[in-house]
Amino acid sequence: EAGVVQSPRYKIIEKKQPVAFWCNPISGHNTLYWYRQNLGQGPELLIRYENEEAVDDSQLPKDRFSAERLKGVDSTLKIQPAELGDSAVYLCASSPRQGAVFTGELFFGEGSRLTVL
Amino acid sequence: QKEVEQNSGPLSVPEGAIASLNCTYSDRGSQSFFWYRQYSGKSPELIMSIYSNGDKEDGRFTAQLNKASQYVSLLIRDSQPSDSATYLCAVNERQAGTALIFGKGTTLSVSS
Repeated sequence: EAGVVQSPRYKIIEKKQPVAFWCNPISGHNTLYWYRQNLGQGPELLIRYENEEAVDDSQLPKDRFSAERLKGVDSTLKIQPAELGDSAVYLCASSPRQGAVFTGELFFGEGSRLTVL
Repeated sequence: QKEVEQNSGPLSVPEGAIASLNCTYSDRGSQSFFWYRQYSGKSPELIMSIYSNGDKEDGRFTAQLNKASQYVSLLIRDSQPSDSATYLCAVNERQAGTALIFGKGTTLSVSS
């Protein structure tokens, strides 16, 4: 079974430029997450989707960040314009729903490392 | 503000010793608790989950939960160099649906 696929793996841009990250979750996983992980820190949730609906985007900086999950499968996270402080690893994860039980198992992609110069 | 606190370490133990990693959380509404392992340059992977007070054992790993003290721990017995990684504590709150809040992680180094 294919895992969570993210692209690009690495991106270097200058500040004020736009950038987009793409994620393809594990087939059949209804829940998709975007986390941001700064160096030496744990992942911080940016947005969570249940199918195509964004159910938790309270931590997403909406002035410059946007996300979409068309058709409840792939997702794209965009930053425009990027700032120096946006340098981080952007992790996409997905999880299955086993009835009403949340197992807590998030399957992470390899991440997209963003460097803003 | 809801928080998950961990000592960032590094925690250094010799091969074969017991490594003890600790985590506290601030929200009493948290009901599910998890330990993820993250190797350098890699993504986190789930290694243990615990939902009720007490101990849960899985091979060399034991998770311990004390909800009254809002405390979660992970014990690694017979530590191996391959256990060297960052261990992330994560909690799920009842109102948070399927969201996890992560601590900043404790870096473990096992020397041979």
